[in-house]
Amino acid sequence: SYELTQPPSVSVSPGQTARITCSGDALPKQYAYWYQQKPGQAPVLVIYKDSERPSGIPERFSGSTSGTTVTLTISGVQAEDEADYYCQSADSSGTYVVFGGGTKLTVL
Amino acid sequence: EVQLVESGGGLVQPGGSLKLSCAASGFTFSGSAMHWVRQASGKGLEWVGRIRSKPNSYATAYAASVKGRFTISRDDSKNTAYLQMNSLKTEDTAVYYCTRRIAVAGAYYGMDVWGQGTTVTVSS
Repeated sequence: SYELTQPPSVSVSPGQTARITCSGDALPKQYAYWYQQKPGQAPVLVIYKDSERPSGIPERFSGSTSGTTVTLTISGVQAEDEADYYCQSADSSGTYVVFGGGTKLTVL
Repeated sequence: EVQLVESGGGLVQPGGSLKLSCAASGFTFSGSAMHWVRQASGKGLEWVGRIRSKPNSYATAYAASVKGRFTISRDDSKNTAYLQMNSLKTEDTAVYYCTRRIAVAGAYYGMDVWGQGTTVTVSS
């Protein structure tokens, strides 16, 4: 079955830039989406179609893609950005949706 | 206000059945594809399945882990989606979220609205 691979954890100090990667063979063909989930809350979409930002999401959140890897970048990280982040896409057929394992972002 | 509200979760024995509901409001439900996503305690997100809209023949798709046991349906007259879960296993224990596919051209899999989730516990 198709898988998306994320690092389990990323740590940054406030004001620094956090980069969270997500790798998958079908990413050159299928868009990626990113979600932020804080404890006890439902996930929130922060990036869609690789690099588009929904309304209401701060400009410090951005997405990029290069080959089989997509990256979520959070510039000028704030304490409130501490959360779990999940990438999501679909297999090459476009039938099955898949989530990455999640990355815990710690703001030191 | 755009909102999804899940209900129907609870405790069920292994091998049992449960039907979850997802009531939608604040948007044109009939035009939206809907997904179900689950999350076991302390674990990551797992896609369960989806149902498309009427113009797309209400087509469904399921994760391999639930195919043949779970069925997604919808009643557009009631603005409600359903997840029928049969032959439940202990590993189906999770919070189940109902989500809406983002209404952006080309964004076939993004989910921009999530419910608060309903908890399903499969245990004897």
